[in-house]
Amino acid sequence: NAGVMQNPRHLVRRRGQEARLRCSPMKGHSHVYWYRQLPEEGLKFMVYLQKENIIDESGMPKERFSAEFPKEGPSILRIQQVVRGDSAAYFCASSLGGKNEQYFGPGTRLTVT
Amino acid sequence: AQSVTQPDIHITVSEGASLELRCNYSYGATPYLFWYVQSPGQGLQLLLKYFSGDTLVQGIKGFEAEFKRSQSSFNLRKPSVHWSDAAEYFCAVVVDSNYQLIWGAGTKLIIKP
Repeated sequence: NAGVMQNPRHLVRRRGQEARLRCSPMKGHSHVYWYRQLPEEGLKFMVYLQKENIIDESGMPKERFSAEFPKEGPSILRIQQVVRGDSAAYFCASSLGGKNEQYFGPGTRLTVT
Repeated sequence: AQSVTQPDIHITVSEGASLELRCNYSYGATPYLFWYVQSPGQGLQLLLKYFSGDTLVQGIKGFEAEFKRSQSSFNLRKPSVHWSDAAEYFCAVVVDSNYQLIWGAGTKLIIKP
């Protein structure tokens, strides 16, 4: 019974490149959340998606960041034209429903050089 | 705005000693309350949760937490810590009718041999 899977676990990008982070929710879960954790800080909500729908993207930066959760395949968090300040750990979580407990993946650690 | 406060950034305890990690939230109604643990370089694991009912909840790894409405607190306890408990602990809340996890900044637990 696989948990939430994220890949890659580590990603290095140069400034100006694109970063694509993938998240496969737990089996049976159709709700996906993305969080960002900056060094020495707690997690900050970014976006909440259900299949083919963005429910809440209030935590997403207005530019360069986008997320999707297609009918088939993993959820993708995409960061265009990365900058050094995007360096962080990005965690994905999934749940059965909006108010159920969220189960977290191992995270993707993005380093922008 | 809702917020979660973990007043202790670091706590150091001796192996075998008891532990209490503090968590306070600000919200008028009773939220859903969670404690997560994050080991170095790892994702987050749910330790325990409180939705309603008995205010003393038992979790995994010998942890428990007590919800005190009058103090808006949900402190995490363990009677005897083990070296493997060294990690960062996060308190989080979900506000009723919402789904976003609001996170505390975390408490880093250091175990002295």
